[in-house]
Amino acid sequence: EVQLVESGGDLVQPGGSLKLSCAASGFTFTGYWMSWVRQGPGKGLEWVANINQDGRERYHVESVKGRFTVSRDNAESSLYLQMNSLRVEDTGVYYCARYSSGCFDLWGQGTLVSVSS
Amino acid sequence: NVLTQPPSVSVAPGETASITCGGDNIGSKSVHWYQQRPGQAPLLVISYDSARPSGIPERYSGSNSGNTATLTISRVEGGDEADYYCQLWETRSDHLVFGGGTKLTVL
Repeated sequence: EVQLVESGGDLVQPGGSLKLSCAASGFTFTGYWMSWVRQGPGKGLEWVANINQDGRERYHVESVKGRFTVSRDNAESSLYLQMNSLRVEDTGVYYCARYSSGCFDLWGQGTLVSVSS
Repeated sequence: NVLTQPPSVSVAPGETASITCGGDNIGSKSVHWYQQRPGQAPLLVISYDSARPSGIPERYSGSNSGNTATLTISRVEGGDEADYYCQLWETRSDHLVFGGGTKLTVL
């Protein structure tokens, strides 16, 4: 079955760190760019980061630059998001998504990150 | 938002729903549309302005011209009730952007 499964979401204090993981299966992971997209409580979708097939090209939205880093392990078919210096406004559901030809054609079920004291 | 969507659209069952996505010269870019039902992950329903991914009903169609892209859902059913988002690659900022979303209510 073609699927993406996220994990690692948790409650963390402002200024803290968290690492999200996404396990891919059912498709050739090395053939695709991968992405993280988040959604704040009651809010819309926001693209967070992209990474190319070999991990050498990475792009992050301005609001997380210098704090979040996207990475991947092709041997494990896994995508990661290292989040440092977390802020209250980073709270939300984080989705792993497959990025193909300009759009997100496969999504995981999401993992919840709560930043609160 | 760079992309402007109406916050809500309401339509009776069997009627046609049109959800717009406004942006400067959006007709020159490729627009993609997602459906998000309550409590679920988003689902791609239209890619490249008007292409339907496998498994998406023919009732879903898209168009894009000038400053407006449009998602059209014909013969609306209760199961179409969801939030809908447009998305494109913004070349000026080199970022992927989403519209603010439109809540479709089936009366």
